Amino acid sequence: DGGITQSPKYLFRKEGQNVTLSCEQNLNHDAMYWYRQDPGQGLRLIYYSQIVNDFQKGDIAEGYSVSREKKESFPLTVTSAQKNPTAFYLCASSMGGASTDTQYFGPGTRLTVL
Amino acid sequence: EDKVVQSPLSLVVHEGDTVTLNCSYEVTNFRSLLWYKQEKKAPTFLFMLTSSGIEKKSGRLSSILDKKELFSILNITATQTGDSAIYLCAGRGGTSYGKLTFGQGTILTVHP
Repeated sequence: DGGITQSPKYLFRKEGQNVTLSCEQNLNHDAMYWYRQDPGQGLRLIYYSQIVNDFQKGDIAEGYSVSREKKESFPLTVTSAQKNPTAFYLCASSMGGASTDTQYFGPGTRLTVL
Repeated sequence: EDKVVQSPLSLVVHEGDTVTLNCSYEVTNFRSLLWYKQEKKAPTFLFMLTSSGIEKKSGRLSSILDKKELFSILNITATQTGDSAIYLCAGRGGTSYGKLTFGQGTILTVHP
C-alpha cells in the first residue's frame, strides 16, 4: 500500500524534553512538509524539504528541527525551546515543483506536554 | 503576507440540506486553490482549482473559483452524516516550492 505513515499516534512529553516525530512515505515523492494544527487556526507550515539533504524553514520553525537523510523519511524534533508544543502535527508529501502539485497527508501525531 | 479566510467557521445542518462553504484569499502570484476534507486525522484532497469560472465536480460536491473577486466556494448537496468534517481551503502562491497557505477551516456537522 502506498502512503504516508506517522508515528506515534499519540505522544506525551514532559517539559524540557526533546521528542522526535516520525514521518515516512513510499510514494516516491521528492517534497515533504511538516504542519502544525491548532484549534481554530488551520494548518501552519513548520519546515519543508524539496530534496534529500536540503530543507527550509516555514512560517513557525522556532523550537523545531528536521533532517532529510533519505527520500522516504522526514523526522521532526520538537525541542525544549518550543514554548507551546501541544498540538496536532501533520506530515505531507508531494511530487514537488509544479504549480499543480498536490500535497498528501499522513494521519498525524497528537503531542501533549504534561 | 499571504492570507486565506474561510467562512463560516462552523455550520450545523440536517441531512438532505445543501451547504455552501466560502474561501477568500490574498496570495501573491496566485497559482491554485485546493480544498481538503479532514474527518479525524489526515486531510484528504478534494479539488484543485486553477482557472476562474470552471466548476470542478465529484458526486455531490462541487467547487468553483473566481480569480477576479479572489474567492472560491465549495457546495455540498443532499448532505449526509458522513459529510461531517472540517473542510480546509488552501491557496498556492508562485514560490518555487508552491507553499500552501491554509484557512482556519469550516467545521461542518450534519445531523440525521
